[in-house]
Amino acid sequence: ETGVTQSPTHLIKTRGQQVTLRCSSQSGHNTVSWYQQALGQGPQFIFQYYREEENGRGNFPPRFSGLQFPNYSSELNVNALELDDSALYLCASSLEAHEQYFGPGTRLTVT
Amino acid sequence: AQKITQTQPGMFVQEKEAVTLDCTYDTSDPSYGLFWYKQPSSGEMIFLIYQGSYDQQNATEGRYSLNFQKARKSANLVISASQLGDSAMYFCAMRARSNFGNEKLTFGTGTRLTIIP
Repeated sequence: ETGVTQSPTHLIKTRGQQVTLRCSSQSGHNTVSWYQQALGQGPQFIFQYYREEENGRGNFPPRFSGLQFPNYSSELNVNALELDDSALYLCASSLEAHEQYFGPGTRLTVT
Repeated sequence: AQKITQTQPGMFVQEKEAVTLDCTYDTSDPSYGLFWYKQPSSGEMIFLIYQGSYDQQNATEGRYSLNFQKARKSANLVISASQLGDSAMYFCAMRARSNFGNEKLTFGTGTRLTIIP
């Protein structure tokens, strides 16, 4: 157990809808990173938040957005869902430049 | 840009045998870190072992060791005395150190390890 939690565990949405995924970081961690893992692939970096500011972004369109709150928990929002957004979404928390600890993930299915 | 290559999509190993999972990497950054994660069918990424680019000795964590060959840009994971619970996906990942704090991880495509009783 890493102490990183994510909700919900599973989610089914329809193309065009919007979704919000949540992540609670491990106690004492101030950095949260989000990754998308398509079936059969390795995780791909979406973006990272450090002390409530975006600190790096991967090759994802602007309809992927995020927030980090004062307690360092985080949200990932995806607008105008597409079928290819179906994936496992992982968040990872860390204390600045140390190892990232992952949560159990949210499985999103877009139909 | 960083790149991780894992050339073994799947491996089958007899229980109690040792297994080596291959990983090669490419980066122009002089300072970087290499990680191995285990991902069971439940989906959670479990941290196994870390090797820094300036570390002189190969990292070890229990039954896991990392065979780091910097000149060859390889960072193979060795699991000794494999167990049935080792059956999972294994990912090699790299992080380039940033002046702005933590840096993203770049992952390979993974190796599915199956331990045979």
